[in-house]
Amino acid sequence: QSALTQPASVSGSPGQSITISCTGTSSDVGSYNLVSWYQQYPGKAPKLMIYEVTKRPSGVSNRFSGSKSGNTASLTISGLQAEDEADYYCCSHVVSSKVFGGGTKLTVL
Amino acid sequence: QVQLVESGGGGVQPGRSLRLSCAASGFTFSSYGMHWVRQAPGKGLEWVAVISYDGSNKYYADSVKGRFTISRDNSKNTLYLQMNSLRDEDTAVYYCAKGRTYDYVGALEYWGQGTLVTVSS
Repeated sequence: QSALTQPASVSGSPGQSITISCTGTSSDVGSYNLVSWYQQYPGKAPKLMIYEVTKRPSGVSNRFSGSKSGNTASLTISGLQAEDEADYYCCSHVVSSKVFGGGTKLTVL
Repeated sequence: QVQLVESGGGGVQPGRSLRLSCAASGFTFSSYGMHWVRQAPGKGLEWVAVISYDGSNKYYADSVKGRFTISRDNSKNTLYLQMNSLRDEDTAVYYCAKGRTYDYVGALEYWGQGTLVTVSS
């Protein structure tokens, strides 16, 4: 199973909105509404931010939102804040396993 | 609150074995699927294996199939990963993670802090 494709890096200024894309295939992202997104700070464990494409766990800011169209899922962060600077990974369920994207480093300028 | 604490990592020579443990607390361990995910130094996340709530279903990444075995002891609230025939490329931080559902479908809801496995001669 090949990794999902994410941009290596994105950047934005405080207050702006950014979108991170996650492209898979009709066998993974396109087949299941089971895309999740994780935030990871350096040296720390990942944290679930979005699950089942659009759902936010309790405690996650509503500035984070998810969507999907065809084989591509997206994470949008609105009202960018300095604390959002981190690595972000998408993940899709596929058959009986999971596949992650390569990760995107978000820089807040 | 949910806590996942991994242990058992360390340095090991290629071809040798290692067993990781993940002690769970703060939730009904026997009701949820559990995963192992690894991250090589400076690299991204790689899903390794999953086990359903009762241990009846286990699935593995192709990269570890036949070498790694995931298991659980619900009486001890503990998840395991037996790693045999270790290779240099297995060097990584290994995270255990709680699934959102009883099976292997749900997202990875909570993560431990990880344990480092270094395979080197």
